[in-house]
Amino acid sequence: DVKVTQSSRYLVKRTGEKVFLECVQDMDHENMFWYRQDPGLGLRLIYFSYDVKMKEKGDIPEGYSVSREKKERFSLILESASTNQTSMYLCASSDQGVAADEKLFFGSGTQLSVL
Amino acid sequence: GEDVEQSLFLSVREGDSSVINCTYTDSSSTYLYWYKQEPGAGLQLLTYIFSNMDMKQDQRLTVLLNKKDKHLSLRIADTQTGDSAIYFCAEFSSGTYKYIFGTGTRLKVLA
Repeated sequence: DVKVTQSSRYLVKRTGEKVFLECVQDMDHENMFWYRQDPGLGLRLIYFSYDVKMKEKGDIPEGYSVSREKKERFSLILESASTNQTSMYLCASSDQGVAADEKLFFGSGTQLSVL
Repeated sequence: GEDVEQSLFLSVREGDSSVINCTYTDSSSTYLYWYKQEPGAGLQLLTYIFSNMDMKQDQRLTVLLNKKDKHLSLRIADTQTGDSAIYFCAEFSSGTYKYIFGTGTRLKVLA
């Protein structure tokens, strides 16, 4: 089974701190994604990556950056955390190719609180 | 514009069938998915359907797709308390290579 691992389940940070959220997948997937989930808003795409060192902005990239130095790892960086970035952050990966059916596999999420 | 709509809440009694509905707008969607999210957890893929299919059955789960009305439904037979969760409908378009998620339906199963 595909495993997508997010390094922390819960994080509490202070306003202005630089925050790193790490995500690792073990199935050699090309595609990796970062979403944030807020009540009533569903999932919103922050950034995604189709290959090592490649990144594309999603729908809400402001205040975030990403890094993909290795295929299995996709990091989300909050350069200067703010209270409106308090949210559940979900990492996902998917395989390319016809047989993959474009299925997204999610990590268990990181609940970030910015005080 | 792109949008996937779901009702926010559904409550059923244990043993009854649940039907969760979803409407989407992108007629070029290639795949449509149902995900389940339990409290404090990530999204787990439950089932999915290719856009050229009308129905897919997988044990207690039945997915119906009406492409004309852009309507997707998930039926859970013999609903159990362990089925209580948030259910997300999502569409993927190979044209835009984009996933669009609904806001989720919270299913509550009453004993």
